[in-house]
This record gives sequence, C-alpha cells and structure tokens, in this order.
Amino acid sequence: AQSVAQPEDQVNVAEGNPLTVKCTYSVSGNPYLFWYVQYPNRGLQFLLKYITGDNLVKGSYGFEAEFNKSQTSFHLKKPSALVSDSALYFCAVRQGPQTGANNLFFGTGTRLTVIP
Amino acid sequence: EPEVTQTPSHQVTQMGQEVILRCVPISNHLYFYWYRQILGQKVEFLVSFYNNEISEKSEIFDDQFSVERPDGSNFTLKIRSTKLEDSAMYFCASSVGEQEQYFGPGTRLTVT
Repeated sequence: AQSVAQPEDQVNVAEGNPLTVKCTYSVSGNPYLFWYVQYPNRGLQFLLKYITGDNLVKGSYGFEAEFNKSQTSFHLKKPSALVSDSALYFCAVRQGPQTGANNLFFGTGTRLTVIP
Repeated sequence: EPEVTQTPSHQVTQMGQEVILRCVPISNHLYFYWYRQILGQKVEFLVSFYNNEISEKSEIFDDQFSVERPDGSNFTLKIRSTKLEDSAMYFCASSVGEQEQYFGPGTRLTVT
C-alpha cells in the first residue's frame, strides 16, 4: 500500500536561510512524486514532480527536490527562503503507470513559516 | 493560465439533503478527480474519471457518492443524503495524462 510521511508538522526558518521540508514515501514499483503548496483559502498548487531521470528536480518559485531511492525520500528545498513562501506544503505519491492507478496519496502536510 | 474552477465556494446543507458540487476542469485535460480534506486532516482521494467512466475509486466513495460529466465542460460530484461527517473541503482536479494534477480552489461543504 502507498503511504507518505511528512515527519514535521511545522518548520520555521529565517528569511534568506535555506529551507528543507522532509518527505518519505512507500509505494510499489517506481514512484511518481509530487510537491504541492496550499495558501490560505486556496487550492493546491503544483510545485514540482519527479517521474524519472535526474534525481534533482527544479520547480516553481525557486523550489527544488531531491529524489533518493535508497532512503525513499523526496525532500523539498530552497536555497533562500522568502516570507511569501510561508504556506502549507504537501508531498504526494502515486504508483507508476504499470499499476494502472493514478490517484495521489498525500502526506499530512508541513506548515512552513518564514520569519522576517 | 488555465485553471480548474469550482462552484460554489461554500455550501451549507442540512443532514439528509443532497448536494451537487460543480467543477470545470482545464479544457484539454482528459482525467478528472475528486479529493476531500476534512478539517485538520490530509487530502484524501475519492474518485478518478476518464473516458466517461470511473477509472478508480477509494473506499470512501460508496453508494452515497456519484460523479458525472453532463456536458463537455462540467464535472460534478453528487452526495446523496449528506451526513455530518461529510463536512469537508472538496477539491476537483484534472490532468492531461497520468502525471501532475491541477487542483481547483475547493468547495467547503458544511453539513448541519
């Protein structure tokens, strides 16, 4: 069965400092991995994905994520945090296409607060 | 940039009533989904829809729920005989293929 763990409910970081939001997953076969961001009273916005290829993927707003197969992790990173990055971040996984399933499993979310 | 839209933004209904939540997916997308998020909990998959039929559904999506694509643009979720525990934010999503899904802003359903 698929699962996603975001071990930190809350991450605080000072503006200008690097940030990391952690995600580990469990899925059969090769995973498709995603990060989404949710601002207050808004839907989920797609940030980036890993499907195959280079383990470091770059996405919107300067975010990137590193796929680590041996550690089954897909941590979200940004070299220099902005106050406007403060939001709720969700990691999501789906099984690869060989299963025929295309639904996303989400983690519980990590609230990122960037302190001015 | 094209967006998924949902109406209404907030729906209040009495227990036992039927509600229909509406979504307009991005126009060239072929896959459609409904998810829900109970307050303070994770986003949960309900159902996916492709080629005018349900392709996958979760155990949450029982006979109380149904989906329909009544025309070329709308995608609806019907909840019959609503219960208090159906109160949640319901998100519609769509995708071109089987990769990233694009989400609407959600409909907050409150069952009283």
